[in-house]
Amino acid sequence: GNSVTQMEGPVTLSEEAFLTINCTYTATGYPSLFWYVQYPGEGLQLLLKATKADDKGSNKGFEATYRKETTSFHLEKGSVQVSDSAVYFCARHNNAGNMLTFGGGTRLMVKP
Amino acid sequence: EPEVTQTPSHQVTQMGQEVILRCVPISNHLYFYWYRQILGQKVEFLVSFYNNEISEKSEIFDDQFSVERPDGSNFTLKIRSTKLEDSAMYFCASSRGTVYGYTFGSGTRLTVV
Repeated sequence: GNSVTQMEGPVTLSEEAFLTINCTYTATGYPSLFWYVQYPGEGLQLLLKATKADDKGSNKGFEATYRKETTSFHLEKGSVQVSDSAVYFCARHNNAGNMLTFGGGTRLMVKP
Repeated sequence: EPEVTQTPSHQVTQMGQEVILRCVPISNHLYFYWYRQILGQKVEFLVSFYNNEISEKSEIFDDQFSVERPDGSNFTLKIRSTKLEDSAMYFCASSRGTVYGYTFGSGTRLTVV
């Protein structure tokens, strides 16, 4: 089936530290992959996406590369800010593209 | 930037009552979705809707749930007889197509007492 596994949080970093949040997906077909961010008390916002192997999605300093060989889509940022504190969700489409399956979410806390 | 609008933001209902959660998707989007998130837990898919019919639904979306697009702009989720375990944040989303990301609304927090 379709599933997404991401590292459990919380991840606590100091400001300007390097961030990696791991995400792997089940390899059924060639799904589009996404990262969503949920700030406290808000809904889900699309952060970035990649639709095929070796694509790199990027936005607001965050990046993730679609790695077919390792079925991964790890989220990275070179220098986090306090304002990046949020819950990050990795997600994949099913083959029909009409359903997103989310990982369990990873809470990031950035301290000044 | 266009938004998905959900109302109400918070609804409290008694167990066994019917609730209708309302959503106004982005006007040129063709695909509509409902998800829910029980407090602190995973975001779970409920249903997707395209061309005036359900295109996919999860095992959560049983006979107690229904969706409707009554007037070409609203997209509603009805729960016929609410249970305590239906308490969650319900998110509506819409998208232009199957390779695009979804735009989510801010959610309706449903509390069943």
